[in-house]
Amino acid sequence: DTEVTQTPKHLVMGMTNKKSLKCEQHMGHRAMYWYKQKAKKPPELMFVYSYEKLSINESVPSRFSPECPNSSLLNLHLHALQPEDSALYLCASSQGTGYRAETQYFGPGTRLLVL
Amino acid sequence: QQQVKQSPQSLIVQKGGISIINCAYENTAFDYFPWYQQFPGKGPALLIAIRPDVSEKKEGRFTISFNKSAKQFSLHIMDSQPGDSATYFCAASFGAYSGAGSYQLTFGKGTKLSVIP
Repeated sequence: DTEVTQTPKHLVMGMTNKKSLKCEQHMGHRAMYWYKQKAKKPPELMFVYSYEKLSINESVPSRFSPECPNSSLLNLHLHALQPEDSALYLCASSQGTGYRAETQYFGPGTRLLVL
Repeated sequence: QQQVKQSPQSLIVQKGGISIINCAYENTAFDYFPWYQQFPGKGPALLIAIRPDVSEKKEGRFTISFNKSAKQFSLHIMDSQPGDSATYFCAASFGAYSGAGSYQLTFGKGTKLSVIP
């Protein structure tokens, strides 16, 4: 099973709202990722968690706040977003063994619209 | 040196034809090269991947050809079908231990493939 699940599938929020995106995997992977993808563009890395610790933050604005409650779950908390933050938000995971480049498995994404 | 250059940007192929997408990289530290297939509104799905110790890998109708000396790799889709119509991304990743247990994928800009009946 190589499934990464994400909820919700779609989200519409105002610029003053607070919302959260959720991601879950049960493959025993220890590395989890958040990506942002705009239309007709490749995914852009936002955050990487390794063994539940934030290891990479690609200079993402503080209105995006990641959280990794345990090895299977990854959240992305959203607050005071801007319309330009509207995009497909993707979660991915990989084994996280640390000695070889490895496959990242992506979830279906959350389509976010900021009004 | 972190870039992966992908071409063409779009491709139209007749049903039953061969679709070919090319990628080139500069950084010789890359040692893992996956291809992802993405349908509109969906997440990227791993299609096939190769490491530089082999020159070709085939899975069904999909083949990766890898030329280490030229720093190029390509995806061939044989007997292309309308259901193959999607956006394809090549990517590359480092193999050295980062200390973080995680790896960053460098993506190409994508190729939109349309297979017409």
